[in-house]
Amino acid sequence: DIQMTQSPSTLSASVGDRATITCRASQSISSWLAWYQQKPGKAPKLLIYKASSLESGVPSRFSGSGSGTEFTLTISSLQPDDFATYYCQQYNSYPLTFGGGTKVEIK
Amino acid sequence: QVQLVESGGGVVQPGRSLRLSCAASEFTFSSYGMHWVRQAPGKGLEWVAVISYDGSNKYYADSVKGRFTISRDNSKNTLYLQMNSLRTEDTAVYYCAKQGAPLPAASNWFDPWGQGTLVTVSS
Repeated sequence: DIQMTQSPSTLSASVGDRATITCRASQSISSWLAWYQQKPGKAPKLLIYKASSLESGVPSRFSGSGSGTEFTLTISSLQPDDFATYYCQQYNSYPLTFGGGTKVEIK
Repeated sequence: QVQLVESGGGVVQPGRSLRLSCAASEFTFSSYGMHWVRQAPGKGLEWVAVISYDGSNKYYADSVKGRFTISRDNSKNTLYLQMNSLRTEDTAVYYCAKQGAPLPAASNWFDPWGQGTLVTVSS
């Protein structure tokens, strides 16, 4: 199974800050990576697929990069609506696996 | 707008069975693979199972293999998850999710997700 490791587990930041979340795969997954945002009591929402493709309707302050084993989700300027938990997910092979999540909280 | 609505969750004793349903609308259901993903209370996301657009291929997480069965009825635009021999560690919110694009394998991201249904396994 491919293990996905996210860091940090918690990120404390202020509105307007740049936020960077890292996701590492235990083996190469090419660009088969997605990012999701989840708010308390809600279903996850797709932000990015194929490592860097922005889902329609997602603000352009979100961006994804990377390939192989190391990936990054960047929020260029945090907005109040962005405080949430973020997950990466690999879809290179079964079983599909998620990172442990990164909670972005208000500093 | 694509809509996925799960139902069938509830409280069940260990060792018993439960069947979840996911009603799909506003997209061509028969063209997309479909997934179940679960989230234990206060925990992260765990992929459970996938079924191909025509039901011919199915894959499961090791944690549920042999106990859970994914199926679909394309005439009813409905996805199912039959859960047998339930364990306390199966307690979670269960989400159904649509495969990202109508293509095999290389589109196994999830978009969108249903609102989830809570399954509680407890004596």
